[in-house]
Formats: sequence, C-alpha cells, structure tokens
Amino acid sequence: ETGVTQSPTHLIKTRGQQVTLRCSSQSGHNTVSWYQQALGQGPQFIFQYYREEENGRGNFPPRFSGLQFPNYSSELNVNALELDDSALYLCASNMRGQGSYEQYFGPGTRLTVT
Amino acid sequence: DQQVKQNSPSLSVQEGRISILNCDYTNSMFDYFLWYKKYPAEGPTFLISISSIKDKNEDGRFTVFLNKSAKHLSLHIVPSQPGDSAVYFCAAENQGGKLIFGQGTELSVKP
Repeated sequence: ETGVTQSPTHLIKTRGQQVTLRCSSQSGHNTVSWYQQALGQGPQFIFQYYREEENGRGNFPPRFSGLQFPNYSSELNVNALELDDSALYLCASNMRGQGSYEQYFGPGTRLTVT
Repeated sequence: DQQVKQNSPSLSVQEGRISILNCDYTNSMFDYFLWYKKYPAEGPTFLISISSIKDKNEDGRFTVFLNKSAKHLSLHIVPSQPGDSAVYFCAAENQGGKLIFGQGTELSVKP
C-alpha cells in the first residue's frame, strides 16, 4: 500500500507567476483535500475534491484552483502568485464517508515566492 | 477568526515526565476533535481523537480530555519520551467534515 506522495518537494517562484503542485492519493482513497500551512501556523483547509468535483472550499480566492483525475491523483494550481502564498502545501487523502482521522497526509511541497 | 487556538508555541519537558498540550476552541458546534503529530519534512499523522459526547479518550501513553463547558481540550503524554519531540496540532471537525487546525505546539522532550 503506497502512501500519499507530493511533487515537487521544494519550489521557488516569482511573484505573478503560476504554479502547479501535484499529489498522488493513497491507494484506494477517492477524496483529496489540500491545505496551506504558513510558517508558525497550522494547516488551513483550501478545498476538497471527490469524484473529480470540488466538494467544499475554505477561505481562499479563486486564483487557487484544483483538479482531481480519474485515478484520484490531484493538482493544486495557484495563479498570480503573491509573496504571502509562500507556505507548505499539504494534500491529504481518504475514502469518502470515513472520519477525518482516516485522512492521510503527504509530506508537502514547500513553495517560496520571491 | 481563529476558531481553534493553541496558545503555547512551545513546551519543553524532561523524559519520563508528563507533557500537557492545551487547545481552546470557540465553536460549540464542533463534534469531533483530533490531535496530529508532525515531524520535520513529514506530513501530519493522526494521533488520537475524541467525540464531543465524551470527556476522555485514552490510547496507551496518550490521553485526550475534553471540557465542553470551557471549550477546552488537552493532550496528556505520560511518560514522555524523546521520540515524542514533534509539533502537535489540535484540530476540530466542522459539520462539513472539514478540519480546522490550531497553530501547533512544538514539544521538546529532553533526555
């Protein structure tokens, strides 16, 4: 059973650019959630995808968007990057209907915006 | 607004002693609370949870206490071990099944 993987591990982008982060869900999981963890803060929920559709969104602007693919892998896209977007981006997967404690997190992608 | 708060950014404890990590919340509609542990370069991993209808849940060295009237929960680790050194996040599950995390407390257990 493979765990949740994310790529790339680290990324440096310039303000105004666009970025795509990738996540492979744990085998058998059909729901993926994305979180942003700023330095010194806890993870903040961005959005969740189930069956390739957005299923709930946190307080993030539309320039944060996502995709979920038929194989349940997922992408997080951020347009018009701002300095405050610098953070660790975590994805987590689970089977829909399971409790939150069944949510497995990947190691994250560290994004730095300069 | 910060619905889940961990007011202590760090805690240092001697090996063998008890570690107590605290968490406060503002929304009385939360019905599930969880603790996660995070090592550097790894994602958070689930540690222990408690339903809002209970006041205590125990799993080995880890016990979580919930005081609903005070909107407060705590995680007790006893005895603490050096391998417990990590960042601990408290989280609450809202009605939509989404997690709201606190800021985290960095625990350091000294040999």
